[in-house]
Amino acid sequence: EAGVTQFPSHSVIEKGQTVTLRCDPISGHDNLYWYRRVMGKEIKFLLHFVKESKQDESGMPNNRFLAERTGGTYSTLKVQPAELEDSGVYFCASSQLGGWSPLHFGNGTRLTVT
Amino acid sequence: AQSVTQPDIHITVSEGASLELRCNYSYGATPYLFWYVQSPGQGLQLLLKYFSGDTLVQGIKGFEAEFKRSQSSFNLRKPSVHWSDAAEYFCADRNRDDKIIFGKGTRLHILP
Repeated sequence: EAGVTQFPSHSVIEKGQTVTLRCDPISGHDNLYWYRRVMGKEIKFLLHFVKESKQDESGMPNNRFLAERTGGTYSTLKVQPAELEDSGVYFCASSQLGGWSPLHFGNGTRLTVT
Repeated sequence: AQSVTQPDIHITVSEGASLELRCNYSYGATPYLFWYVQSPGQGLQLLLKYFSGDTLVQGIKGFEAEFKRSQSSFNLRKPSVHWSDAAEYFCADRNRDDKIIFGKGTRLHILP
């Protein structure tokens, strides 16, 4: 089966610009998560979708971040306007509903804001 | 608050030597624990997980981990490391809301 795919793998933008990250989960996985790792720090939870609904968005840093998952398939994470502190690696993960199925992670998008 | 602690930021071992990476968790009576590995340029790969049952868990790539409730620990071990094991290792705990909390990671360096 295809794994979790993220696009782009790298993005370099200037402060104030907008960037949209995309995540395609494993087919049939209703749980979708976004995580972020700022350089040198831990991987931090951003939000969790169950199908198209936001289950938990307690980790979203501020209202410059907007995540969507229309139709319960792929998800996008938009940062607008980007700030320097938004630089880091953004990971997407998916898992099946029910039980304790493990999370499968994508390779991440490395975002650099200059 | 739920937390996962990996006390070692960097570990260096010689190729062929044994390895133990430490992890302590703080949450809950029934932790659901994971070890993930991230190689350069790659995503997070699941090495192993523990939910219940046998407290010694076998994973991929020759890794194992032992759950010790009395010590709130879930240390990762490998009897003989290979140069390809050089990577960053993350311990994680999953709570009832399906949120995974990660430790800060341990970067493993292998000496030839």
